[in-house]
Amino acid sequence: DAGVIQSPRHEVTEMGQEVTLRCKPISGHNSLFWYRQTMMRGLELLIYFNNNVPIDDSGMPEDRFSAKMPNASFSTLKIQPSEPRDSAVYFCASSPQGYTEAFFGQGTRLTVV
Amino acid sequence: GQQVMQIPQYQHVQEGEDFTTYCNSSTTLSNIQWYKQRPGGHPVFLIQLVKSGEVKKQKRLTFQFGEAKKNSSLHITATQTTDVGTYFCLYNQAGTALIFGKGTTLSVSS
Repeated sequence: DAGVIQSPRHEVTEMGQEVTLRCKPISGHNSLFWYRQTMMRGLELLIYFNNNVPIDDSGMPEDRFSAKMPNASFSTLKIQPSEPRDSAVYFCASSPQGYTEAFFGQGTRLTVV
Repeated sequence: GQQVMQIPQYQHVQEGEDFTTYCNSSTTLSNIQWYKQRPGGHPVFLIQLVKSGEVKKQKRLTFQFGEAKKNSSLHITATQTTDVGTYFCLYNQAGTALIFGKGTTLSVSS
């Protein structure tokens, strides 16, 4: 298995533009997590899906952020409009079940200028 | 909600010295996981602890879960330069999702 696949690896965009981050979890895993990592705030959980259903989205910063999981093999995190303070590394992770070992993707480094 | 403190934030050691990082909670934890993130990399799972008083070893790494399930530690014996990185504890909050501690960044000089 190729592991959790995220795309793009790097994204540079201008303030106000829409950004879409993509994640393909490991096949057979039924839990998916989106995290954001910054120096100031560390690793923050944004949203958690179980069986494609959002279970906890309390970490989503504001209405500019949205996440979807249309099927078991794909998830997106969208920021619209993007702001410089959204600059961070965004990680997607999947696990066989919610509270077991989580496998992380390589991350997407987002820079909003 | 649960308050979990991870200490220290940073630790520098000479190669061969020991290293310990702690996660301390104000409430009882269901379980705790430990991850390592190398500079520029992504978090990688090390271990999960579930039982009160549990101790697990992986070569030079020793993981403990306190009797009250409110604290946990990761101890590295005789550090090597390959141990460099940030070590995170991860716990589930209110039975929903997984929350990371702030991490301890370890640097090792040879």
